[in-house]
Amino acid sequence: GAVVSQHPSRVICKSGTSVKIECRSLDFQATTMFWYRQFPKQSLMLMATSNEGSKATYEQGVEKDKFLINHASLTLSTLTVTSAHPEDSSFYICSAHPPTGDSNQPQHFGDGTRLSIL
Amino acid sequence: GENVEQHPSTLSVQEGDSAVIKCTYSDSASNYFPWYKQELGKRPQLIIDIRSNVGEKKDQRIAVTLNKTAKHFSLHITETQPEDSAVYFCAASQSYIPTFGRGTSLIVHP
Repeated sequence: GAVVSQHPSRVICKSGTSVKIECRSLDFQATTMFWYRQFPKQSLMLMATSNEGSKATYEQGVEKDKFLINHASLTLSTLTVTSAHPEDSSFYICSAHPPTGDSNQPQHFGDGTRLSIL
Repeated sequence: GENVEQHPSTLSVQEGDSAVIKCTYSDSASNYFPWYKQELGKRPQLIIDIRSNVGEKKDQRIAVTLNKTAKHFSLHITETQPEDSAVYFCAASQSYIPTFGRGTSLIVHP
């Protein structure tokens, strides 16, 4: 159980393109999902917390107009990288957790999206 | 906010040896400590976790210890195998949100 699906797995596109990444919880409802960015050989850096039915909460230094997050349903959150540039190239991963009410539980991660901007 | 330090950044061992990865955290409110294994280009996967009311937990070849007073926790892998080679991340978590360490690249030589 607790499967998180992320799509697409790989995107290669030209500079200036906007890219949408989807994160779905397949067998549970998630009021909260998390978006991370990971550079090569580095750790997972939390970008934002996606909240169903309300605005996302962004971490310091993350441009909310650059990284648009929409969490329109209890099983889907999307991250749109607007007008992407080469410096946005990275590995983006989402995560979620089943709503057990226990804050001490692991995150379940999607497979990640490798974004390459030419 | 929480700050998690992880050492070493790289660990190279021979097959059959033990491997130990250590982490420290700064926020005493953190109460949940998961460890993830990430293979190249893949998702992090939970391998073991420990809660703040427990000092040690073991699952076959993997064990985790927690010293709340010192704010230290460690991952121990015994009888390492080549398939254990990956990047391992520790995390300190409170209210669902984990803060990750920088990762340890474990290389197990056959």
